[in-house]
This record gives sequence, C-alpha cells and structure tokens, in this order.
Amino acid sequence: GESVGLHLPTLSVQEGDNSIINCAYSNSASDYFIWYKQESGKGPQFIIDIRSNMDKRQGQRVTVLLNKTVKHLSLQIAATQPGDSAVYFCAEVSGGSYIPTFGRGTSLIVHP
Amino acid sequence: KAGVTQTPRYLIKTRGQQVTLSCSPISGHRSVSWYQQTPGQGLQFLFEYFSETQRNKGNFPGRFSGRQFSNSRSEMNVSTLELGDSALYLCASSLDFRVAGGHNEQFFGPGTRLTVL
Repeated sequence: GESVGLHLPTLSVQEGDNSIINCAYSNSASDYFIWYKQESGKGPQFIIDIRSNMDKRQGQRVTVLLNKTVKHLSLQIAATQPGDSAVYFCAEVSGGSYIPTFGRGTSLIVHP
Repeated sequence: KAGVTQTPRYLIKTRGQQVTLSCSPISGHRSVSWYQQTPGQGLQFLFEYFSETQRNKGNFPGRFSGRQFSNSRSEMNVSTLELGDSALYLCASSLDFRVAGGHNEQFFGPGTRLTVL
C-alpha cells in the first residue's frame, strides 16, 4: 500500500488493549477538532469530532478528550482491533477560516 | 451511495509539464476541497469550492488552481510541475464546508498519486 508518512510517531499495541493517541494543536482560537483515520492506499476517514466548548465526547469504541489549557487532544480507542491499524490525524478548525489544519499523524500498529 | 471518486489514481509527469486532476463528489454535496499530502509536510489544504466559486485558499503558489462545474465536479490543475509537487492529492466533499458553529463532515476520495520526474 501507499505510505502516508515517513518517520511518523508509532504506537504499537496488542489486540484487545486500549490505545491512546495524542495530538498537540497550535491555535487557541480553534473551535472545532476532528480525528481522522487513514488506511494505506485510502483517503482519510472521519472518526469523531468535538467542539471547543466540550472536553469529552464518546463514540463507538472511541473517546476524544480536549484539554484547552494545554492545547492537547487525545483519541482513545477501546479494545483495539487489527482493523484499527492505520495512521491517525487530528485536525483543528477555526470558525473564522473554516480551513482545517492537520497534525502530522500517528501510526497505530495493532498486533494480533 | 457512491463515494468520492478521483481520476486518475496514478500519474507520472516530468518537470515543466502541467497536470489536471479530477474529482467527483458524493451526489448532493456542493463543497469540494483539495489537499496535498506529502511525507514532509503532511496534509495541507489547497482550496475549497462551493457552487462553482472558490471560497477558501491555502498557502500554495499560483501554479495550483482549480475549478468547479455546475454538477459540483471539480478539477485541479498544476502548471509548470516541480519535483516537489510529487504528492498524494486528495479531494474531499461535504454538504457544505461551513456550518455556523460547526463543521460538516468531509468525505475523502482515495487520492491521485502524482509523481514528477
């Protein structure tokens, strides 16, 4: 498959473990944050989003935490499965520009 | 519902040439955005079109341009190709990129892998 990035931070976990992927964002005025998953050879796929007036949001097996004090975002994946192996990107969006700024990504490797 | 399609999937060009990439959004989606993805710079926003008008533009030189047709299909063009233009070019569509106080989900295509020799 196609590589989406070289020298990305990598997180290796065992199947069934919980995974936590972190992201530092840059703009304190960003008011919307999104996590994407990108599998080899595919475009990014939306996972979950959160508005700046929230500090936690849960989806199916995923939870996003937002800490505006330190400009930090995390994605927690429960009971990680081999199909979760991919590169994960966070993106921040400012309401003024509507243009998303993406983080560099983290490669998640899930071992069966 | 068919997803976002991009053509061609792979392209090889030489320096100085120009290239046109095509994107067909999900039916009903009026907003189309283009992104460049490289190992060095990651995912970077190029521009966004809505109802045939460019609404947003990223920080790329004028060699990068685009357009949108009345059926929401979009093309992007890169003229006078440089080696550094080698990248995966992604197109994403949404109902409307802008939503007051929020953000409509974008659906990405598989990308066009451009190699400039």
